[in-house]
Amino acid sequence: EVQLVESGGGLVQPGGSLRLSCAASGFTVSSNYMSWVRQAPGKGLEWVSVIYSGGSTYYADSVKGRFTISRDNSKNTLYLQMNSLRAEDTAVYYCARVIGVPAAREYYFDYWGQGTLVTVSS
Amino acid sequence: SYELTQPPSVSVSPGQTARITCSGDALPKKYAYWYQQKSGQAPVLVIYEDSKRPSGIPERFSGSSSGTMATLTISGAQVEDEADYYCYSTDSSGNPQFGGGTKLTVL
Repeated sequence: EVQLVESGGGLVQPGGSLRLSCAASGFTVSSNYMSWVRQAPGKGLEWVSVIYSGGSTYYADSVKGRFTISRDNSKNTLYLQMNSLRAEDTAVYYCARVIGVPAAREYYFDYWGQGTLVTVSS
Repeated sequence: SYELTQPPSVSVSPGQTARITCSGDALPKKYAYWYQQKSGQAPVLVIYEDSKRPSGIPERFSGSSSGTMATLTISGAQVEDEADYYCYSTDSSGNPQFGGGTKLTVL
C-alpha cells in the first residue's frame, strides 16, 4: 500500500528556514517522480516543485531560488528545504507521487500525503 | 501565465447529475485530470487522462474533454460527493497548473 507521511511543518518567522520531510512506503522514491504541492488557507492548490527519477529538479517561479527539493534514497524520503520564507508561503504542504505521461510530455499526481502546515509569521 | 478556469460553485440535489467544467487553451493537446478534496483532507485523484477512472473511484464519476473544455460529470450525485474539485493540466511547455477549484454542494 502506498503511503506518504509529511512532517517538519510549524511556525517560522519571515526570512527563516524550514525543512519538510515526506516518508514514503509501498514504493521506491528514487524510481519515481515526486512533487510538492501547497495550499494556502482557504485557497486552491499550487504546484511547488518536482524531482525526476534521474535527479532533475524544477520549481514554480514563486519559490525558485529559495526552495530546494531533494531525496534520500536510503531513507526512501523526499525533502523540501525552504529558505527566505515569506508570509505568502504560509500553506499546507503536500508531497505527492508523480506519474509521467511521456507521450503527452506531462505528468500528474496519483498519491498524496496528508500534508503539513507551514505558518510564516512574526 | 497559463490558466485553467473553473466555475467557483455548482449545486445539485441528491440523485441529479453534476457537471463541472474546466477551460484552458492547451486542453486540445493536453490531458485533463480531476481531484476531489473533502474538507480537511488531502486531494484524491478521481479522473486521469481526460476520462479514465482510477481503481476504487465509483462509476458515477466520469470525464470528457472537447476542444478547450474538459468536464467532470457526477451522475446521480450523492451527499458524500460534496467537496472541492480541482482540474489539473499542463501548458504547452509541460508546466503544471491547477484550476481555481469548484465547490460542489449536494443538498
